[in-house]
Amino acid sequence: ESVLTQSPGTLSLSPGQRATLSCRASQSVTYNYLAWYQQKPGQAPRLLIYGASSRATGVPDRFSGSGSGTDFTLTISRLEPEDFAVYYCQHYGNSPTFGQGTKLEI
Amino acid sequence: QVQLVQSGAEVKKPGSSVRVSCKASGGNFKSYGIHWVRQAPGQGLEWMGGIIPVFGTADYAQRFQGRVTITADESTSTVYMELRSLRSEDTAVFYCARDRVRGGSGMFDYWGQGTLVIVSS
Repeated sequence: ESVLTQSPGTLSLSPGQRATLSCRASQSVTYNYLAWYQQKPGQAPRLLIYGASSRATGVPDRFSGSGSGTDFTLTISRLEPEDFAVYYCQHYGNSPTFGQGTKLEI
Repeated sequence: QVQLVQSGAEVKKPGSSVRVSCKASGGNFKSYGIHWVRQAPGQGLEWMGGIIPVFGTADYAQRFQGRVTITADESTSTVYMELRSLRSEDTAVFYCARDRVRGGSGMFDYWGQGTLVIVSS
């Protein structure tokens, strides 16, 4: 089972800045089966990115994903106030696993 | 529009069991996997298992194997998750979530609202 390690644990930025979140897998992620989710307090997670770089329906284009193999990145080009949340990466497939999350705070 | 509506909060004693339901509407119930994800207070997301109703058999995460059962009732478009031998560490919000891809993917585009289960003596 692949272990996903996200960094940093907490990222403090301001609206308008660029955010770069990292997700490293202990084993190579087959077929780039890597997704990113956003979770706000008291809400269910929301799918943002799948296949490492494809945006889910309705996700603004300021969100982008990249990477392959064991190293993946979620980039938010210009932070909006509503983007401050916790972000999780996920290796999906037969036995999905999640990273521990990165908290993006103002 | 797909909607997943979960049953309400539960308070359980250690050693007992809990069953949480997830009723789906607005989509093809049979062909898309429904999964359960646990989130302990202040913690991350943990996949527990899932089922594709048309196939009827569930897959489980190794750490929950033997303690969790996931079933589907096609007549009511409802998926159930039963967790047994509850302990205080099982206190969490449990989410159901639907596969984005027909036939299963383990990637989830629709989520229920979450069900809080508190395990306390």
